[in-house]
Amino acid sequence: DADVTQTPRNRITKTGKRIMLECSQTKGHDRMYWYRQDPGLGLRLIYYSFDVKDINKGEISDGYSVSRQAQAKFSLSLESAIPNQTALYFCATSATDGQTNTDTQYFGPGTRLTVL
Amino acid sequence: GESVGLHLPTLSVQEGDNSIINCAYSNSASDYFIWYKQESGKGPQFIIDIRSNMDKRQGQRVTVLLNKTVKHLSLQIAATQPGDSAVYFCAENRQAGGTSYGKLTFGQGTILTVHP
Repeated sequence: DADVTQTPRNRITKTGKRIMLECSQTKGHDRMYWYRQDPGLGLRLIYYSFDVKDINKGEISDGYSVSRQAQAKFSLSLESAIPNQTALYFCATSATDGQTNTDTQYFGPGTRLTVL
Repeated sequence: GESVGLHLPTLSVQEGDNSIINCAYSNSASDYFIWYKQESGKGPQFIIDIRSNMDKRQGQRVTVLLNKTVKHLSLQIAATQPGDSAVYFCAENRQAGGTSYGKLTFGQGTILTVHP
């Protein structure tokens, strides 16, 4: 979805390096998410933020941190990258539909991260 | 534990045939389900959703069926085309107290291959 952009799209780094992945959205959504995708495991939630002052851990937050710099920006950091953090990383955004009380997430194109 | 899973990891069909992709969920409290399509090198793309107060919902060439009795969800694609080849994920959105938490739990995915 072009409304959700991620940078970089591909990154190769070495063990121990600090890495930041960035996500921006123009959808005006208040909620943003970071997922990682590994082969055969689907997508797993790392962190999520329901507004600028709200940050929550997902199911696999260890080794990661996030920053919600603005409503439209949500960055994911790996303070000291390790090889098992090699994966596809996806950012997503959503906004609750007040009528249906549903919350559909829209995903960015992903960042392929390789940690050597 | 709570989980969302798929019965079939791969599905091969001929162009023009109908496709059915299945998904089982274990949390009877879940009340919102989404199907995503993920093409190679791209992020998941929203296809269709359904709330638990419905049994069926139709979109363009797609139909989602929900059987709450057996906690089963299916995605039917009519007249499948080569462009439908992708990985399809079901996702469960758990809600509580009438407020959506927006935390999706994804299944592992089914690979759909459409042969011309």
